[in-house]
Amino acid sequence: QKEVEQDPGPLSVPEGAIVSLNCTYSNSAFQYFMWYRQYSRKGPELLMYTYSSGNKEDGRFTAQVDKSSKYISLFIRDSQPSDSATYLCAMELAGNQFYFGTGTSLTVIP
Amino acid sequence: DTGVSQDPRHKITKRGQNVTFRCDPISEHNRLYWYRQTLGQGPEFLTYFQNEAQLEKSRLLSDRFSAERPKGSFSTLEIQRTEQGDSAMYLCASSLKRGAFSTDTQYFGPGTRLTVL
Repeated sequence: QKEVEQDPGPLSVPEGAIVSLNCTYSNSAFQYFMWYRQYSRKGPELLMYTYSSGNKEDGRFTAQVDKSSKYISLFIRDSQPSDSATYLCAMELAGNQFYFGTGTSLTVIP
Repeated sequence: DTGVSQDPRHKITKRGQNVTFRCDPISEHNRLYWYRQTLGQGPEFLTYFQNEAQLEKSRLLSDRFSAERPKGSFSTLEIQRTEQGDSAMYLCASSLKRGAFSTDTQYFGPGTRLTVL
């Protein structure tokens, strides 16, 4: 079993839709949770990071963590064609290694 | 631009050749990470440095791979006797780790895409 599971998609939505991206994990020792956006042939770009269970909002993006279920989500409101990218979840064990999901490919259709 | 930079952006080599990549982190960052990413996968951790000390290496990092960060600033990743399976994007990330219990938010460079023929 992988440490982090993420549905690879692809996911295709019309412009303006709400997008929900999800990851599950198996290691309860993960402390920090992050979402990265990666455009084709570019390095990942940090979107959000959270520590505790609950919601964190930044503009059109909301990150949600449920530690009891070992489940994290990223919601994108009013999706735009420029949001078309691969979204990677990442999790950090105390102090050191990061574990990434495989990424979900998102296309927002104008 | 004060972000993480990597050089070269692309490298094509023949099987058996040695290659070296360079990463320049964000200037005040004390940690530097190397990852490998193949198509359709997330980045896989290879190794990381805190200042000039290499603190951890993944089991993925075979004897043909070596990384250095001699002065705690830029880092190099060398692959000796390249194999076709080494073809991937090699990503560098840096972070500012302030204390044992602080988060380690990593900022990535654009990557070096290696193709081994």
